[in-house]
Amino acid sequence: DAKTTQPPSMDCAEGRAANLPCNHSTISGNEYVYWYRQIHSQGPQYIIHGLKNNETNEMASLIITEDRKSSTLILPHATLRDTAVYYCIVRVAGNTGNQFYFGTGTSLTVIP
Amino acid sequence: DSGVTQTPKHLITATGQRVTLRCSPRSGDLSVYWYQQSLDQGLQFLIQYYNGEERAKGNILERFSAQQFPDLHSELNLSSLELGDSALYFCASSSGGSGQPQHFGDGTRLSIL
Repeated sequence: DAKTTQPPSMDCAEGRAANLPCNHSTISGNEYVYWYRQIHSQGPQYIIHGLKNNETNEMASLIITEDRKSSTLILPHATLRDTAVYYCIVRVAGNTGNQFYFGTGTSLTVIP
Repeated sequence: DSGVTQTPKHLITATGQRVTLRCSPRSGDLSVYWYQQSLDQGLQFLIQYYNGEERAKGNILERFSAQQFPDLHSELNLSSLELGDSALYFCASSSGGSGQPQHFGDGTRLSIL
């Protein structure tokens, strides 16, 4: 599985867009990019995932570069409740599901 | 609410004891995954089951075992507990389809005294 690199921490002003980068330069053609977040010691919360195209849902947008070597998670209007550790994961899709390997993620602090 | 239910939420026991953690996956999900999160480590994948069969093993100790039952719920058994086994244990489930994400439960906090 491709390794990911994320900045250890970021700050964002409340109400502004939070842009969280992830580098996955060794990603292969059939690997998906998944984003999760973990607030305190709660279970990781699924945010969004994609393969090649940009994706958007009610929580966030995922922008994947054309060469697929990096991606950015965008929280359009960050709130204090978005303060969490954000994990970028790449994984080969299998017919019976995937096991995820979590790195250290990016600790996002939303500042009032 | 992810739809994944884990019980109990908290468990306190002593060294040398055995405990069982339970996980009910989201309705329709066939895959169940177990993860361990210690204070000084990130989330570590332990084991995966798909429709009752073991599919993948990660960093699971020999003292730990798991199974998935015909109704698709899963149990993680931890035996000969040591102080270092104190951690959060998370269960996740997915449909098993290609690329489908995992959805995590709220975890069981295990404290070994």
